[in-house]
Amino acid sequence: GAVVSQHPSRVICKSGTSVKIECRSLDFQATTMFWYRQFPKQSLMLMATSNEGSKATYEQGVEKDKFLINHASLTLSTLTVTSAHPEDSSFYICSASVPAGELFFGEGSRLTVL
Amino acid sequence: EDKVVQSPLSLVVHEGDTVTLNCSYEVTNFRSLLWYKQEKKAPTFLFMLTSSGIEKKSGRLSSILDKKELFSILNITATQTGDSAIYLCAVESPPLDSNYQLIWGAGTKLIIKP
Repeated sequence: GAVVSQHPSRVICKSGTSVKIECRSLDFQATTMFWYRQFPKQSLMLMATSNEGSKATYEQGVEKDKFLINHASLTLSTLTVTSAHPEDSSFYICSASVPAGELFFGEGSRLTVL
Repeated sequence: EDKVVQSPLSLVVHEGDTVTLNCSYEVTNFRSLLWYKQEKKAPTFLFMLTSSGIEKKSGRLSSILDKKELFSILNITATQTGDSAIYLCAVESPPLDSNYQLIWGAGTKLIIKP
């Protein structure tokens, strides 16, 4: 099946720094990619929907200036957590959709902000 | 307001039992319903359902959609400890001004005891 890869899988950073997470569709072109955040023992929380070549659509309550999303090509979307704080520590997951509607998820990226 | 409701929120059974997980929805523009299995990392896609009454099967898992009553069920027969996971239901319901939107249920936490 289609493969979606995230990088890095794990990142530790100091408070106040910015961190970029990449999401790539390896063997297909994804017109739409999604970014999720997962809190411990809770379900996925959709953060934003990213369409190639256009601005991301953020879910209510998600700060767009805090979580910058760039979908520069049909195979790459990036999430940048700006001025990270310990409360931003979480598991971030991306997914990419194919025209048929199926979603393929990345393996996730664990961010720890010290 | 569009919503997806899963029940039960959690379920504990013994190995070998059969379980049925429920997902009901109220959305304005239904396109498809998706089931995912979430374990330690990113959710794994299980099924995508678009038509009523057509059962989809994969091994011990099966699912069916009822678009009249607005629900879907996920059945797991002869459960094994490896089936322990959170099962997520999502409905694709794009709003008129967007080409894609996923509405997620909160998930059902399934625990299989040996």
